[in-house]
Amino acid sequence: DAMVIQNPRYQVTQFGKPVTLSCSQTLNHNVMYWYQQKSSQAPKLLFHYYDKDFNNEADTPDNFQSRRPNTSFCFLDIRSPGLGDAAMYLCATETGGGYGYTFGSGTRLTVV
Amino acid sequence: SQQGEEDPQALSIQEGENATMNCSYKTSINNLQWYRQNSGRGLVHLILIRSNEREKHSGRLRVTLDTSKKSSSLLITASRAADTASYFCATGTGANSKLTFGKGITLSVRP
Repeated sequence: DAMVIQNPRYQVTQFGKPVTLSCSQTLNHNVMYWYQQKSSQAPKLLFHYYDKDFNNEADTPDNFQSRRPNTSFCFLDIRSPGLGDAAMYLCATETGGGYGYTFGSGTRLTVV
Repeated sequence: SQQGEEDPQALSIQEGENATMNCSYKTSINNLQWYRQNSGRGLVHLILIRSNEREKHSGRLRVTLDTSKKSSSLLITASRAADTASYFCATGTGANSKLTFGKGITLSVRP
């Protein structure tokens, strides 16, 4: 089955300590998305890749960076996590055929 | 900026009843999609309706789209306890396929 896999499911990091979240996909799609979802809020697009072309949303803080070394993998780096960055981070790619996106299970980030 | 606004924010119904959720949006769209999210999990795609379509069915799901009113509704018929989740509408606009999500509706189905 086509899948998007996020690791880890839960991540605890210290205030200001860099953290990396990972995502992989088996759909071999050229587009990948990272969303941030805070409690009881809408998922908010941080950035997306079209192949290796990186597209940052205008209001995504500089604290958030991303890398996509190949089609399958994408990483979200938070350089200096603050308490306000605690959230669920969701990775997605396009399913194709008019079936929207396939999302991973998400990584729940806690900042202490 | 948020595009979709779902209504109501929370809905509680008895198993077997129908659940209707509404979504309104502000700008022209290419398509509108509905997703389900179980607590603490990722989003699962339910159905996509294109801007030139008015109604679509998938199993117990029925989606309508009224582009003149910039609104959509999701109907879940014969609800089950397993339908308990949050439901989000998301709109796709422009040449790219980026989705903008609403805040979601929390549906509780009582056994």
